[in-house]
Amino acid sequence: EPEVTQTPSHQVTQMGQEVILRCVPISNHLYFYWYRQILGQKVEFLVSFYNNEISEKSEIFDDQFSVERPDGSNFTLKIRSTKLEDSAMYFCASSDAYSNQPQHFGDGTRLSIL
Amino acid sequence: AQSVTQPDIHITVSEGASLELRCNYSYGATPYLFWYVQSPGQGLQLLLKYFSGDTLVQGIKGFEAEFKRSQSSFNLRKPSVHWSDAAEYFCAGVTGGGNKLTFGTGTQLKVEL
Repeated sequence: EPEVTQTPSHQVTQMGQEVILRCVPISNHLYFYWYRQILGQKVEFLVSFYNNEISEKSEIFDDQFSVERPDGSNFTLKIRSTKLEDSAMYFCASSDAYSNQPQHFGDGTRLSIL
Repeated sequence: AQSVTQPDIHITVSEGASLELRCNYSYGATPYLFWYVQSPGQGLQLLLKYFSGDTLVQGIKGFEAEFKRSQSSFNLRKPSVHWSDAAEYFCAGVTGGGNKLTFGTGTQLKVEL
């Protein structure tokens, strides 16, 4: 069964550094998402992406965050200047339709900011 | 505001016993609802989904869920739990016109042998 893959599985970064989290969505999917889960808290929506542009973003997704689909297969989340509170598990998801199809999630990248 | 609530943070059941995990939703219109499972160190795996129609939906691994509009609930059930079902379970919803999933806080299931 096709799956969403995320790399790396764990990223450790110094505060203030830039970090890029990578995702390869399911190949025929058109909608892409990033969510995050701070330890002990809910999974929270960050951003959705379709047709090479952001379709929706949460209040968490401020100017420090950006997303890109640099080629036909990858979908990236960049955090420009990381803060301690960015430490979380980041999940990528994809779906083949807007809302009436489920989102399929990757295994996540655990981001630790020191 | 749209929300999904899972009242139980932890549940412990004996292997072979039945299971019901609670989920309540608050949406202006009937949402699309999902249950996901997360095993330690793993991502979120879709168990089942409800969009419309039959209010009892079947999922993978022997799970089912029942949508009850009158109670704003979408509880997950399994008739006989296996030790491998120990994991964290998340209920999530999205409005019919959107694609932003709202998650509950999760229920951690422990299975006693």
